[in-house]
Amino acid sequence: QITLKESGPTLVKPTQTLTLTCTFSGFSLSTSGVGVGWIRQPPGKALEWLALIYWNDDKRYSPSLKSRLTITKDTSKNQVVLTMTNMDPVDTATYYCAHWGSSGWADPWGQGTLVTVSS
Amino acid sequence: EIVLTQSPATLSLSPGERATLSCRASQSVSSYLAWYQQKPGQAPRLLIYDASNRATGIPARFSGSGSGTDFTLTISSLEPEDFAVYYCQQRSNWPPDTFGQGTKLEIK
Repeated sequence: QITLKESGPTLVKPTQTLTLTCTFSGFSLSTSGVGVGWIRQPPGKALEWLALIYWNDDKRYSPSLKSRLTITKDTSKNQVVLTMTNMDPVDTATYYCAHWGSSGWADPWGQGTLVTVSS
Repeated sequence: EIVLTQSPATLSLSPGERATLSCRASQSVSSYLAWYQQKPGQAPRLLIYDASNRATGIPARFSGSGSGTDFTLTISSLEPEDFAVYYCQQRSNWPPDTFGQGTKLEIK
């Protein structure tokens, strides 16, 4: 059974850097074709794809946020870390991580973590 | 960036009825389209991928169709647990994957 769980701060101040960790089980990020990605959802709004890292360390970023995002993996710890710099109140959202497997789509997702940006 | 437009924004139906949800892409995405279901306070769940393939464990009452720019999610006979928000997503021209704005399926 594949499970993922996001962790990190619930509150960050404007201009700070956000660091989120996705800890997963039930699969290995060293298996060919596997990826872990991040998606966010502002309160009451739609989903926004952020970044994805594959088993071979191939990394993809949303073009609109690329300058602010970094995604890394630690295969030995079964973790993927997303950092987002220069946080702004508009970045307030629930941040989800998800497994990308043989279907090529996000399945399943973690439960999400709400991050509020406020001074 | 490909824009996905979902319609209607809200769909009011009764249990047992048939639901038809639409997703239109601003340019062709071939069959690289998925549908997700999201219930309040929960993460999205993959229902359909590559336009017409049901994900593992998804009931047969859910079906997807379409290719190119026009796609449909059909729920053949609504169960009480099907009332939720549904999102489509494309990965034809990425990054980024993009999502539609969602269709809320509510009980009439």
